[in-house]
This record gives sequence, C-alpha cells and structure tokens, in this order.
Amino acid sequence: KQEVTQIPAALSVPEGENLVLNCSFTDSAIYNLQWFRQDPGKGLTSLLLIQSSQREQTSGRLNASLDKSSGRSTLYIAASQPGDSATYLCAVHSGNTPLVFGKGTRLSVIA
Amino acid sequence: DAGITQSPRHKVTETGTPVTLRCHQTENHRYMYWYRQDPGHGLRLIHYSYGVKDTDKGEVSDGYSVSRSKTEDFLLTLESATSSQTSVYFCAISPREGRDSPLHFGNGTRLTVT
Repeated sequence: KQEVTQIPAALSVPEGENLVLNCSFTDSAIYNLQWFRQDPGKGLTSLLLIQSSQREQTSGRLNASLDKSSGRSTLYIAASQPGDSATYLCAVHSGNTPLVFGKGTRLSVIA
Repeated sequence: DAGITQSPRHKVTETGTPVTLRCHQTENHRYMYWYRQDPGHGLRLIHYSYGVKDTDKGEVSDGYSVSRSKTEDFLLTLESATSSQTSVYFCAISPREGRDSPLHFGNGTRLTVT
C-alpha cells in the first residue's frame, strides 16, 4: 500500500527566503506525483505534475523535483512571499488506485 | 475552480439521517472523485467514477454510496450519518485517467453530524 509522508508538518520563514518542502513515498512504481496548494476553507489547487519519466517541473517561482528510485520529491519555492502562506500537499498516483495524499506542510511566510 | 460546484457548502444533520452531497461539473470530464479531509488523516478517497454509471470504491467507502447518472453530476450519499462522518468533503475531476492528468478540486462541503 502506497504511503506518502510530508516533512515538516509546519514551517515558518521570513519573507524573501528560499525554502524546500519534502515529500516521500514508499512504493517507487509511480505514474506521477502532484503538488497542490490549499488555502484555509478552500479546495486544492494543482501546482505541478511530474510524470514518472521526468526529473523536475517548473512554474514561476516553483520548482518540483522527483527522484523515483529513492521515493522522494521536493518543492522549491524561491523568494517566498506572504501570499505563499498555505498548506502544500503532495500526492502520488501508482498502481490501479487514484491519488494518495500526504498530510501536508503548513507554510507561513512572515512579512 | 475548474467549473466544479459542490452543494451544499455547509450542512448540519443528526445521527441516523441520510444525507446526499452533490458535485456538479461543467467541464464534461470523465473522471470524478469524492474525498474526505480530516485532521491527522489528510485526504482519503471515498469513491470515484470513470464514466456514467461506472463507479468504484476507495480507501474509506464504508457507509457511503455514490451515483452518476449524468456526466456532470456525481452524488455522494451517507446512508445513515454517524458522528465519525463529520468531515470536509471534496469533489475532484480530471479529463483523463490520473496517470497524466492533474486533479481539479471543488471548494468542499463541511458536514457536521450531531
């Protein structure tokens, strides 16, 4: 059974800092890994999708990497802003089951 | 919100009553999902659908049923609500099977069972 872990559970950084969020998964036979953002009281917004054959994806200040063999992904946020404050979730698609989610990292960017 | 509407947005109901939550999409996507989100558990899949009248169970399907009679609507029914079903319920859609397609989520329904 696929399990997804995100560390840390919460993170607080000053504005302007570059930061890395971590995601690990137990079964490396994945099809893709997705990163989402969730604002309080809202649904999830898809940020990046990395196929199993890819090593990274970039969107603006966000860069997600994937190391399938070690079961790890990172989400790099450059020059963080207060508007980046949210919970970030990673999710893995593998086997015949739809996405399995981690519990998320709650990010606070302090002005 | 990728053309996804969940209704109601909030509901309070009593233990033992049936409850139906609705997910409506305007994207004509084939795949639809119901998740629940709880503190300490994250998002867990309840049921999903890969076409009209084609549904399958997820990780936490006990006590829930679903129906999809039209492409645009996916209904989640709690047959006899229990306090353990107090949660935030999210609907998600995707145009293709999840191997190469991101999921798009609605804004959720907050359900309280008293």
